[in-house]
Amino acid sequence: IQMTQSPSSLSASVGDRVTITCRASQDISIYLAWFQQKPGKAPKSLIYGASSLQSGVSSNFIGSGSGTDFTLTISSLQPEDFATYYCQQYNTLPLTFGQGTKVEIK
Amino acid sequence: QVQLVQSGAEVKKPGASVKVSCEASGYTFTGYFIHWVRQAPGQGLEWMGWVNPGRGGTYYAQSFEGRVTMTRDTSISTAYLELSSLKSDDTAVYYCARARGARATDYWGQGTPVTVSS
Repeated sequence: IQMTQSPSSLSASVGDRVTITCRASQDISIYLAWFQQKPGKAPKSLIYGASSLQSGVSSNFIGSGSGTDFTLTISSLQPEDFATYYCQQYNTLPLTFGQGTKVEIK
Repeated sequence: QVQLVQSGAEVKKPGASVKVSCEASGYTFTGYFIHWVRQAPGQGLEWMGWVNPGRGGTYYAQSFEGRVTMTRDTSISTAYLELSSLKSDDTAVYYCARARGARATDYWGQGTPVTVSS
């Protein structure tokens, strides 16, 4: 299953609402996860089941969608949120990631 | 607290093999699968496969089939990734991560850089 994220990158300011989309090439129900990665660091799990927050993750992160279309919304961008975000489907083996969306400071 | 601690950086020559370890603590090792993901320099994440520490079963992504072996030693709560016939484009950071079965991962290791160079 191919996962396509858009945009590939975006510039935003602290306090902005940011939305990243992820599209699957076929129906994956709600078996979608989101990850955040900062330079030189391991990915951090944010969301599973399309909309469930991992333990300890800020409620600023909101996941939604089902089937083939999903979104990750950061409701008010904080300085620590500047990073690259990846979606991953786990409905069908092999698991596959989107190509990533880099969120940069405007 | 849950921790996955990986072995240190490796430098290998083309054609050689590398074995990366991932030591788990803070949870029941046999209760979660260990997934392996790699990231080439400046690139995205690539899922490689998983090992089930409970029963030892494995699943490998087709692009690694025949070159990869994922194992575990339950006596020391450690999972291993071995990649053989290394090529320059295997240069990457290799991560382990745990998950309930073939599901979303939650905790990740710190990553192990592997450089393949003559």
